[in-house]
Amino acid sequence: DIQLTQSPSPLSASVGDRVTITCRASQSINNYLNWYQQKPGKAPKVLIYAASSLQSGVPSRFSGNGSGTDFTLTISSLRPEDFATYYCQQSYITHYTFGQGTKLDI
Amino acid sequence: EVQLVESGGGLVQPGGSLRLSCVASGFTFSHYAMNWVRQAPGKGLEWVSHFSGRGGNTYYAASVEGRFTISRDNSKNTLYLQMNSLRAEDTAIYYCAKDADYFGSGNYVRVFDNWGQGTLVTVSS
Repeated sequence: DIQLTQSPSPLSASVGDRVTITCRASQSINNYLNWYQQKPGKAPKVLIYAASSLQSGVPSRFSGNGSGTDFTLTISSLRPEDFATYYCQQSYITHYTFGQGTKLDI
Repeated sequence: EVQLVESGGGLVQPGGSLRLSCVASGFTFSHYAMNWVRQAPGKGLEWVSHFSGRGGNTYYAASVEGRFTISRDNSKNTLYLQMNSLRAEDTAIYYCAKDADYFGSGNYVRVFDNWGQGTLVTVSS
């Protein structure tokens, strides 16, 4: 299986900060990388797909980048509602895997 | 509006069995692959199983292979997960997730674009 390693974990930041979360794959996965946000007690929701495409309805302060094995999720200016846990996921092979998650807190 | 509603969770003893259901609405269920994803208390997301939209291909995580069986009834818009030989480490919230192809950066990628609210499975004596 393809392993995904996220860093940092956890991540402390303040409202208005610019933050970047990294996801590294154990082998090349081209751009088959998605990012999800999960808030406590809720199901995850997709933010970014294909490494850099913004899901409809997601604010433009979220952006993704990368290809191959190294990927990033950046939030340009943190808002209070962004404090949550973020997961990367590979869909390169059908044995999907998720990163361990990055909890973003104040 | 897409809706996915899971049910069937509960308390079961180690070695026992449980069947989860996920009823879908708001889209043509038979056209889409579906997945089960679980989350142990305080832990991260773990993909469990996949059922393709066409062709009937199924896939399982190594942790559940041989114990869990995914199935679907397209006439009832329902996805199932039969869980046998349950262990304490199977305790988790189980989510069903719709699997769709999205075009981005020059190719299609699979995305879990809709999720249910989850159903809690607790394996304990």
